Amino acid sequence: AQTVTQSQPEMSVQEAETVTLSCTYDTSESDYYLFWYKQPPSRQMILVIRQEAYKQQNATENRFSVNFQKAAKSFSLKISDSQLGDAAMYFCAWRYNFNKFYFGSGTKLNVKP
Amino acid sequence: DGGITQSPKYLFRKEGQNVTLSCEQNLNHDAMYWYRQDPGQGLRLIYYSQIVNDFQKGDIAEGYSVSREKKESFPLTVTSAQKNPTAFYLCASSTSFRNTEAFFGQGTRLTVV
Repeated sequence: AQTVTQSQPEMSVQEAETVTLSCTYDTSESDYYLFWYKQPPSRQMILVIRQEAYKQQNATENRFSVNFQKAAKSFSLKISDSQLGDAAMYFCAWRYNFNKFYFGSGTKLNVKP
Repeated sequence: DGGITQSPKYLFRKEGQNVTLSCEQNLNHDAMYWYRQDPGQGLRLIYYSQIVNDFQKGDIAEGYSVSREKKESFPLTVTSAQKNPTAFYLCASSTSFRNTEAFFGQGTRLTVV
């Protein structure tokens, strides 16, 4: 069975500091895609960043970057220079064919002013 | 603007009644999905459809039904057989290409009293 695990239910970070959210997954597939989504209090799901498993280079999007360790099946999200607007639920997701996305249970990020 | 529209945003129903949640997309996506979100459990897949007139059960399909008569529409019916229907429901769509993300609607909060 394909599973996605986010072991940190809740985390806090000081404004302007850096925080890393963890995600691990379990699969026997070799070619797949990984995503991080943000869900603010409005509950609208927003794509933050994506990573292609066949690419060794870690994806970056402005203040957001990933640390993708394929052998360890780990896909963490680093948020630099945290802002109050980054406070949200963050979900890690995995997709290997066009049928399904598998989501983790989420990490609630609090940003302290 | 292209996107996914879920309606209504809030829905109240009496126990024992069936209720249908609407989901419409104008992104020309082949695949559509229904997820249920409960606190601490992330997003769980109810049903998904890859193409018109075809759909597959997800991980928690019991007590739910769907139809896919048009590419743009994927309504979800919560039947009286669903034992704990109160939840937040998210509809999503995607292309058939594995590297593309899921696009989400705003969600429907269903409360059964």
